[in-house]
Amino acid sequence: EVQLVQSGAEVKKPGESLKISCKASGYSFTSYWIGWVRQMPGKGLEWLGIIFPGDSDTRYSPSFQGQVTISADKFISTAYLQWSSLKASDSAMYYCARPLAADYFDYWGQGTLVTVSS
Amino acid sequence: QSALTQPPSVSGSPGQSVTISCTGTSSDVGSYNRVSWYQQPPGTAPKLMIYEVSNRPSGVPDRFSGSKSGNTASLTISGLQAEDEADYYCSSYTSSSTGVFGTGTKVTVL
Repeated sequence: EVQLVQSGAEVKKPGESLKISCKASGYSFTSYWIGWVRQMPGKGLEWLGIIFPGDSDTRYSPSFQGQVTISADKFISTAYLQWSSLKASDSAMYYCARPLAADYFDYWGQGTLVTVSS
Repeated sequence: QSALTQPPSVSGSPGQSVTISCTGTSSDVGSYNRVSWYQQPPGTAPKLMIYEVSNRPSGVPDRFSGSKSGNTASLTISGLQAEDEADYYCSSYTSSSTGVFGTGTKVTVL
């Protein structure tokens, strides 16, 4: 059974760094893309980016290029989303999800709520 | 890239049909048969309902169907049921080799 289990909720201050994780199981981690989706409070879904753990090929939405970093550790089947300097506007629910053929997301994690507040 | 355009809300009575449109451009919806649709009830993660314009994953009722014409894709829910009340999002592959979501549509069952 495919499962994506995300790390727990985070409360941070503006300017702090953060790295959240998504542990994959039930499939060959290095054979599929894995990605991240943002949902700000009361708002819609936003496509952040995806990574292919097999060769670390990474694609970012132009809207998020340079704002976040996506990485993966194929040895522990875990994907990451990180920020070097958080802003209040980064407060949102972040979902990891598996996109088949770098396209549609067939499996989703439970979400990680990130709150950035002074 | 801009979000795909969806109507903010649609509604229908049980048993009726509703259709949600998803309008993009020639750089996304119009150029690729890689449109997908997601259902998101409040407080839950999205669920894939349609992929590659009109294909249903295993377990999705055949009341849900998808189509595309030009730069606009559509999701139709036939025989609307109370459990279909949720937010729905379309998504498309783009010429940047990335994806983009729609603005989202709230479906209300009257």
